[in-house]
Amino acid sequence: GAVVSQHPSRVICKSGTSVKIECRSLDFQATTMFWYRQFPKKSLMLMATSNEGSKATYEQGVEKDKFLINHASLTLSTLTVTSAHPEDSSFYICSATHQGGVYGYTFGSGTRLTVV
Amino acid sequence: AQTVTQSQPEMSVQEAETVTLSCTYDTSENNYYLFWYKQPPSRQMILVIRQEAYKQQNATENRFSVNFQKAAKSFSLKISDSQLGDTAMYFCAFMKRGFNKFYFGSGTKLNVKP
Repeated sequence: GAVVSQHPSRVICKSGTSVKIECRSLDFQATTMFWYRQFPKKSLMLMATSNEGSKATYEQGVEKDKFLINHASLTLSTLTVTSAHPEDSSFYICSATHQGGVYGYTFGSGTRLTVV
Repeated sequence: AQTVTQSQPEMSVQEAETVTLSCTYDTSENNYYLFWYKQPPSRQMILVIRQEAYKQQNATENRFSVNFQKAAKSFSLKISDSQLGDTAMYFCAFMKRGFNKFYFGSGTKLNVKP
């Protein structure tokens, strides 16, 4: 089956530094990848949608300059949290489509980011 | 705008019994899809079941079935013969046909007790 690997699973960084999270589709080509943020005991909120080779489309209210998304290949998308602050601490989940249709969504196992 | 509401923050069920999780949604769209996703303690989101709005027949996947009431905008999930491995957060989700965007509900935490 389709597998999406997300790395790291946990990361702690100091306030003011940047951290990169990787999302890889291991056995399929992901034309579109999605980044979600999940607050404790809350639902998933879509942050942005990225298509391979083009700029990401951000949801309203998401800071483009803080959350840099790159989708350079059909198997890799990265989310970089720049100048991280404690309020950026959260659980980040990526998802990828492999069929181009509504049934082809696979989620990564998420990254717990803690900014201290 | 689409909204998805799950009114049960937490539920418990005894192993082998049946439990129903509620979900309602609000949309002016006619063509859409509905999903139930499971998020176990590992945090991996797993698709449980999906339903196309144009299909009147309720979707079923082994022990999981839905009760889709389009007019009432209701989409409940029934889990039969509950197993310990069903313990997880369950999210109801909506997607407008042709758009790559999920609208998730706030989730229901299901505890299956031995």
